[in-house]
Amino acid sequence: DAKTTQPPSMDCAEGRAANLPCNHSTISGNEYVYWYRQIHSQGPQYIIHGLKNNETNEMASLIITEDRKSSTLILPHATLRDTAVYYCIVRETSGSARQLTFGSGTQLTVLP
Amino acid sequence: DVKVTQSSRYLVKRTGEKVFLECVQDMDHENMFWYRQDPGLGLRLIYFSYDVKMKEKGDIPEGYSVSREKKERFSLILESASTNQTSMYLCASSLDDVVNEQYFGPGTRLTVT
Repeated sequence: DAKTTQPPSMDCAEGRAANLPCNHSTISGNEYVYWYRQIHSQGPQYIIHGLKNNETNEMASLIITEDRKSSTLILPHATLRDTAVYYCIVRETSGSARQLTFGSGTQLTVLP
Repeated sequence: DVKVTQSSRYLVKRTGEKVFLECVQDMDHENMFWYRQDPGLGLRLIYFSYDVKMKEKGDIPEGYSVSREKKERFSLILESASTNQTSMYLCASSLDDVVNEQYFGPGTRLTVT
């Protein structure tokens, strides 16, 4: 069963904020939320991750709801180079669960 | 910056050939992974390794084997290539289990004819 649900595609105007939603209603207390993206013909790229609190780095912000059942990845000023498939993944923090399970993601298209 | 390199970007092999895909990371990461990516199926984990000479099966190990003789190098082996192994193969590494940010290589597009 899929652990996350994402819309298959979204568009965003260049220079605007891109808000990518993810539902993870069955997330457990020791699972992190990870975001990766994959630009066409490249390997996936790590963006950000979080457990409970909102997180921000040079690439994006991650907003996690208080009940942790959903999250939103925010690209504050989207550029054409942000066009990619964005994957939301939930994963346990350690132990044997070393692998990441990638779903089908959201194809974000940034429009000029 | 972490760098993960793969030996080839494109590879064409014949059915029945033995195929080696090499992956090297330069950041002393403990964990290394091999995925394949196919349209409509996303990324699927083939094998991973959490230490030299250690390996664990992923979701689709059939038809593949791996080798990790040195920490920085993780090889994927197709013992007898078949057409259904035509795919994009992606290698990744991560520092440890706690955070497990995975860094990916550029991928090898393998075609088996």
